[in-house]
Amino acid sequence: HVQLQESGPGLLKPSETLSLTCTVSGGSISDYDWSWIRQPPGKGLEWLGYISDSGSTNYSPSLRSRLTLSADTSRNQFSLTLSSVTAADTAIYYCASQPRSLTGTFYYFTFRGQGTQVTVSS
Amino acid sequence: DIQMTQSPSTLSASVGDRVEITCRASQTISKWLAWYQVQPGNAPKLLIYKASTLESGVPSRFSGSGSGTEFTLTISSLQPDDFGTYFCQQYLNYPTFGQGTKVEIK
Repeated sequence: HVQLQESGPGLLKPSETLSLTCTVSGGSISDYDWSWIRQPPGKGLEWLGYISDSGSTNYSPSLRSRLTLSADTSRNQFSLTLSSVTAADTAIYYCASQPRSLTGTFYYFTFRGQGTQVTVSS
Repeated sequence: DIQMTQSPSTLSASVGDRVEITCRASQTISKWLAWYQVQPGNAPKLLIYKASTLESGVPSRFSGSGSGTEFTLTISSLQPDDFGTYFCQQYLNYPTFGQGTKVEIK
């Protein structure tokens, strides 16, 4: 039964870089593909980006210039880096699994962790 | 981006009621649609994918229908634990979500 644990700093200042890690337990990072999704306070859900265990990535067009995803199979972890944060990046950040298809991946998500709150404030 | 529009934004219903939430896509997405439930303090829960396939472990009172641009999530008999906000999400290309429908129990 795969579980996910998001970790990272809860508070950042504007212009800083956000770094989050998602640790996979109860299974292998190779079992699924992975995405990051966030939910700002009182708002809806936003998909940020996708990564496979082999390092293939796909980013939301709105964040492509600031977002980098990476995977570390030896640690069973994958990570998010978001540069030049502003108050608009304040949100609960979730990592989630997604199933593979015969030709790629399906972009629907199983949220296996509780998420981590990130606040950007001076 | 494909825009997803849900209606209503909020609904209040009694236990046992049949509840329907509609999701419309700004362009055809075939059946590449998922539904999620979000309850306060909890991570989103996948309910349905490919428009009508029930995720394992989800109660059978939840069902999904539709294709193309119009989709419906139905709760056949609303239960006290069904409160929360429901989101649709398309995955034809870059995933996008609807704005959510808040379900309150009368």
